[in-house]
Amino acid sequence: NAGVTQTPKFQVLKTGQSMTLQCAQDMNHEYMSWYRQDPGMGLRLIHYSVGAGITDQGEVPNGYNVSRSTTEDFPLRLLSAAPSQTSVYFCASGEGSNQPQHFGDGTRLSIL
Amino acid sequence: AQSVSQHNHHVILSEAASLELGCNYSYGGTVNLFWYVQYPGQHLQLLLKYFSGDPLVKGIKGFEAEFIKSKFSFNLRKPSVQWSDTAEYFCAVTAYNQGGKLIFGQGTELSVKP
Repeated sequence: NAGVTQTPKFQVLKTGQSMTLQCAQDMNHEYMSWYRQDPGMGLRLIHYSVGAGITDQGEVPNGYNVSRSTTEDFPLRLLSAAPSQTSVYFCASGEGSNQPQHFGDGTRLSIL
Repeated sequence: AQSVSQHNHHVILSEAASLELGCNYSYGGTVNLFWYVQYPGQHLQLLLKYFSGDPLVKGIKGFEAEFIKSKFSFNLRKPSVQWSDTAEYFCAVTAYNQGGKLIFGQGTELSVKP
């Protein structure tokens, strides 16, 4: 039972580069979300999705894009990386936002 | 701005001391409330949740939380902490009038001295 799988676990980028953080879940959950975790700021919601084909912005969406073409996958795209996007990124899924969330292991991203 | 606030950033306790971590939210209307815990190097996991009914909810590992609607609060408590409770604790809220987003507080780091 894989749960929520995030890849890669670590990544170093140069300013201006683009990349996609992958997130996949095998629990048939409708709700998926992306958070960034920064010291002293908790988890801040970037984007979320309540089902395939439906996405919406969270608290800190600027600089990030998402899509949800399937129930299983919810990739997060950095269009032009900036040092301010250095963070640990967590993907989560649940049957709904009001149900317990299952978190991935996180992606530690450094932007130089 | 609507938000979730955790008052204590870092709490240091000795074993057997009582714990209370504060959480306040600013959303109106119907809310669902959660406490999650992140042990060092591990995933976040759910401690307890409140949807409706008895405002005093019990979770895993002896934790409980009380929902006080008039104070927009959902404080986490444990009568006697153990060294193994050392972790970061996050309060989280979904508000029905906010599109179902799950919003977290800033987190409280708890260090328990043996």
